[in-house]
Amino acid sequence: AQSVTQLDSHVSVSEGTPVLLRCNYSSSYSPSLFWYVQHPNKGLQLLLKYTSAATLVKGINGFEAEFKKSETSFHLTKPSAHMSDAAEYFCVVRSPGGTSYGKLTFGQGTILTVHP
Amino acid sequence: EAGVAQSPRYKIIEKRQSVAFWCNPISGHATLYWYQQILGQGPKLLIQFQNNGVVDDSQLPKDRFSAERLKGVDSTLKIQPAKLEDSAVYLCASSYSPKTGGETEAFFGQGTRLTVV
Repeated sequence: AQSVTQLDSHVSVSEGTPVLLRCNYSSSYSPSLFWYVQHPNKGLQLLLKYTSAATLVKGINGFEAEFKKSETSFHLTKPSAHMSDAAEYFCVVRSPGGTSYGKLTFGQGTILTVHP
Repeated sequence: EAGVAQSPRYKIIEKRQSVAFWCNPISGHATLYWYQQILGQGPKLLIQFQNNGVVDDSQLPKDRFSAERLKGVDSTLKIQPAKLEDSAVYLCASSYSPKTGGETEAFFGQGTRLTVV
């Protein structure tokens, strides 16, 4: 079984300040982890992914995330927020394809608000 | 590369009516997912196909929901009869399964927003 917990339902930052969106996961296997972003009335877009290579993963738009197995965490960060970052962010865990064909489990989402 | 196509984008129906959604995945993607996203919640997996076979439908309300993926390409999701609580965005996604094993990331369509009144 696998699960994802996003620790904050809402995060509010000022433009130009750092962003931290927290995610903890539970998985019986070595998981693949993803962050997706969803802007209003838009589809889900992949920000970055961890698939057992480097533990620090860089994504699009200046976002990055660090996989910490000991803490079962995969927090998303960005050094300086931009107004266009305002959206909902989802942390996703995927089981290995060989066992359950890559089932994706989503967290509840974190809404990021960026103030001028 | 063309993305995942879904139609319709919006649908309003009365309760107890039926409705169908269509999804065309990215060419060559063996895995196809249908997710339900209720307002304020994360997407919930309804059904997952590998080619034209069902891998996981444990959370599909089978008394009213059905899905098929003929020939391992396009897929349709049907609700009959609809209930008020079915109001949600229905997302289709697909991913590629390399011969070396594992899967690539999932690519999502724009979704179909269903309102049941």
